[in-house]
Amino acid sequence: GAVVSQHPSRVICKSGTSVKIECRSLDFQATTMFWYRQFPKQSLMLMATSNEGSKATYEQGVEKDKFLINHASLTLSTLTVTSAHPEDSSFYICSATPTRGNNSPLHFGNGTRLTVT
Amino acid sequence: EDKVVQSPLSLVVHEGDTVTLNCSYEVTNFRSLLWYKQEKKAPTFLFMLTSSGIEKKSGRLSSILDKKELFSILNITATQTGDSAIYLCALGVNSGGSNYKLTFGKGTLLTVNP
Repeated sequence: GAVVSQHPSRVICKSGTSVKIECRSLDFQATTMFWYRQFPKQSLMLMATSNEGSKATYEQGVEKDKFLINHASLTLSTLTVTSAHPEDSSFYICSATPTRGNNSPLHFGNGTRLTVT
Repeated sequence: EDKVVQSPLSLVVHEGDTVTLNCSYEVTNFRSLLWYKQEKKAPTFLFMLTSSGIEKKSGRLSSILDKKELFSILNITATQTGDSAIYLCALGVNSGGSNYKLTFGKGTLLTVNP
């Protein structure tokens, strides 16, 4: 089955620093990748959709200058949390699909637990 | 605004019981309904439903969609402790242009006690 690898699985950083999270599709080409955030005991909230080679589409209320998304290749997307603050502490999960715009299940990475001190 | 409502939010049962999890929705541009199981990390895909009345089955799990009444159910028979997880319902919708995205419900936390 389709495998999505996310790295790192856990990161602790100081307030004001930037953190980069990588999401890779290992056995398929991901034309579309999605970034979600999940707070404790809450559901996955979509942050942005990125299509390879074009700018990401951000959901309402998500600051594009704070959460930088790059999807430069068909197998890699990165999310950079810039100038992180404690309120950015959360579980970030990426997902990918090999098809663009079509119905298909998303395959999820294992997530990154970000703690900002 | 698209809405996905799952019920119950949490459920505690004993091994061997049968459970039914509910997902109702209000969305525009419906394309699919998906069920995922989330344990400690990433959600794992269970089912994708696009047509009404056609049951999808995998072992002890089954699911069906009613597009007229706008809901889906996920059934688990003969539950086991390994079924303990959060079950997420998600709606696949058109999000403009050729894009497609999933909107998730809050999930149902299922605990199966031995």
